[in-house]
Amino acid sequence: DIVMTQSPDSLAVSLGERVTINCRSSQSVFYSSNNKNYLAWYQQKPGQPPKMLIYWASTRESGVPDRFSGSGSGTEFTLTISSLQAEDVAVYFCQQYYSKSTFGQGTRLEIK
Amino acid sequence: QVQLEQSGAEVKKPGSSVKVSCKASGGTVSNYLISWVRQAPGQGLEWMGGIIPIYDSRNYAQKFLGRVTITADKSSGTAYMELGTLTSEDTAVYYCARGPPLRWSYYDYWGPGTLVTVSS
Repeated sequence: DIVMTQSPDSLAVSLGERVTINCRSSQSVFYSSNNKNYLAWYQQKPGQPPKMLIYWASTRESGVPDRFSGSGSGTEFTLTISSLQAEDVAVYFCQQYYSKSTFGQGTRLEIK
Repeated sequence: QVQLEQSGAEVKKPGSSVKVSCKASGGTVSNYLISWVRQAPGQGLEWMGGIIPIYDSRNYAQKFLGRVTITADKSSGTAYMELGTLTSEDTAVYYCARGPPLRWSYYDYWGPGTLVTVSS
């Protein structure tokens, strides 16, 4: 199975600052035949199901604020929040769907 | 707007089975990949398996092979996940999640979750 490892496990950032969350896969999730990375990002707030933010590594889901962006390819990926808002406090997960499905362990984001 | 509705919370004895349902309001589950993902208290997300009802195509995580069965009733547009031989380690919130009808996919809609508590 593909193992997904996120870093850091938690971070505290000031409002308005930039946030970077990393995700590494144990093998490439890039499929050359369609030039796509099989990687998604989710946000989960307490007591709620996950909400998809990004799919195909960099495609923002409809309705997701444009301060959220995804980048990377192969085995290294990044979720960036350009300017942290109070409502962004949550746990963030990456998911690979190249082979079956596995999730990262999650990154807890708090306000400093 | 599609919403996935799940059956209510369950309390089960060790060794028993649980069956959780997932139905789409404002749409159907039949033409999509429906996966089941669980989350133990305070823990991360764990994929269990999925089904594409129109193809009757199913896949399971190795960890749950032989213990989980995912089915769908196309006539009612409902998907089901049955997990057997329950232990306390199966106490978790069980989510159904919908994605495009690909063998492996991202999930753009999630159900609210069903809490399954396994306790003697």
